[in-house]
Amino acid sequence: EVQLVESGGGLVQPGRSMKLSCAASGFTFSNYGMAWVRQAPKKGLEWVAYISYDGGSTYYRDPVKGRFTISRDNAKSTLYLQMDSLRSEDTATYYCTTEAGSFDYWGQGVMVTVSS
Amino acid sequence: DIQMTQSPASLSASLGETVTIQCQASEDIYSGLAWYQQKPGKSPQLLIYGASSLQDGVPSRFSGSGSGTQYSLKISSMQTEDEGVYFCQQGLKYPFTFGSGTKLEIK
Repeated sequence: EVQLVESGGGLVQPGRSMKLSCAASGFTFSNYGMAWVRQAPKKGLEWVAYISYDGGSTYYRDPVKGRFTISRDNAKSTLYLQMDSLRSEDTATYYCTTEAGSFDYWGQGVMVTVSS
Repeated sequence: DIQMTQSPASLSASLGETVTIQCQASEDIYSGLAWYQQKPGKSPQLLIYGASSLQDGVPSRFSGSGSGTQYSLKISSMQTEDEGVYFCQQGLKYPFTFGSGTKLEIK
């Protein structure tokens, strides 16, 4: 069974940093592109970042470019999202997903609240 | 960015009724279209990918169709467990973008 388990969320002040992790199991993690998708409270879905199966390619939505870094450790089957210079508009539930054009498998999500 | 316009924003349907949700892309997305269902407090789940391919484990009453810029999701016989919010998503170009969602309720 595919499992994606996010961790690392919580309350953080504007301008500070936070790192999310996603532990994957039940599939060959190193064969899959991965992504982070977020959802602000009571809002729709927003793709945030993508990383290829080997980490060789990454893409970001414009508002997070230069502030967020997606990375992976295939030996540990873990995906990461380093978030720097956080803003109130980054407040959302962050989901770890597999990605191949569509988002096939999703984690349960982790809440990030940016507030003073 | 490719804009995804989804309609209606909400609808209610009776048990057994056929339901259709529409999604329009701002440019041709060559069937790079997926549909998701999200229930309250839960993660979204993939229903349809490639505009018309049914994800494993999804009931056959769900179907997708369309091409170019116009796509639709059909539920052929509404069931209680189909209540939720449905999103379309284009997977042709980054940034991948989603429709604003359709809230489906039982009448």
